[in-house]
Amino acid sequence: AQSVSQHNHHVILSEAASLELGCNYSYGGTVNLFWYVQYPGQHLQLLLKYFSGDPLVKGIKGFEAEFIKSKFSFNLRKPSVQWSDTAEYFCAVSPYNTDKLIFGTGTRLQVFP
Amino acid sequence: DAGVTQSPTHLIKTRGQQVTLRCSPKSGHDTVSWYQQALGQGPQFIFQYYEEEERQRGNFPDRFSGHQFPNYSSELNVNALLLGDSALYLCASSPTGQGSYEQYFGPGTRLTVT
Repeated sequence: AQSVSQHNHHVILSEAASLELGCNYSYGGTVNLFWYVQYPGQHLQLLLKYFSGDPLVKGIKGFEAEFIKSKFSFNLRKPSVQWSDTAEYFCAVSPYNTDKLIFGTGTRLQVFP
Repeated sequence: DAGVTQSPTHLIKTRGQQVTLRCSPKSGHDTVSWYQQALGQGPQFIFQYYEEEERQRGNFPDRFSGHQFPNYSSELNVNALLLGDSALYLCASSPTGQGSYEQYFGPGTRLTVT
């Protein structure tokens, strides 16, 4: 069965610390990859996406993610977090040519000033 | 440009009842997907509608059904509600029936079953 694993359930950082959130998926075919963010009291928003091409993708607010096909991974990174990055982060996979999203369980990030 | 809208915002129902949730897609989008997000979990795909037909379905029982109207808006119906149906129900729209496009999410409807 297709699945997405996010190993970090809750991450606590101080401002200016670096961030890396892990995401692994299980699916044998071609996939599109996404990171969504849910700020407190707001709806899910797209942070970044990978469809094809350069495996290092850049998103909004200084986030980036790297697709490593051999490891079935799509980890999210940010060199220096801000208090405003406090949110829930979801990795999602979409089998190629479908719009069906398979989400991980999410990682709650808390950033303290 | 209005994004995805959902109604109602909150809903409280009793076990065994039926509920209908509504969604209007983002302007220019013709595909609507529904997701269930239980507390502390990621959203789970329920089904997707395109051209007024169910195009894909996740692992949900037949108690969950839907409809898409000619104006692309959609309804999610859940019959014979169970306590376990309590969740945030999210609607997402995308601009085409098939392909690699991002989905835009609405704010959700919080359903509580007592």
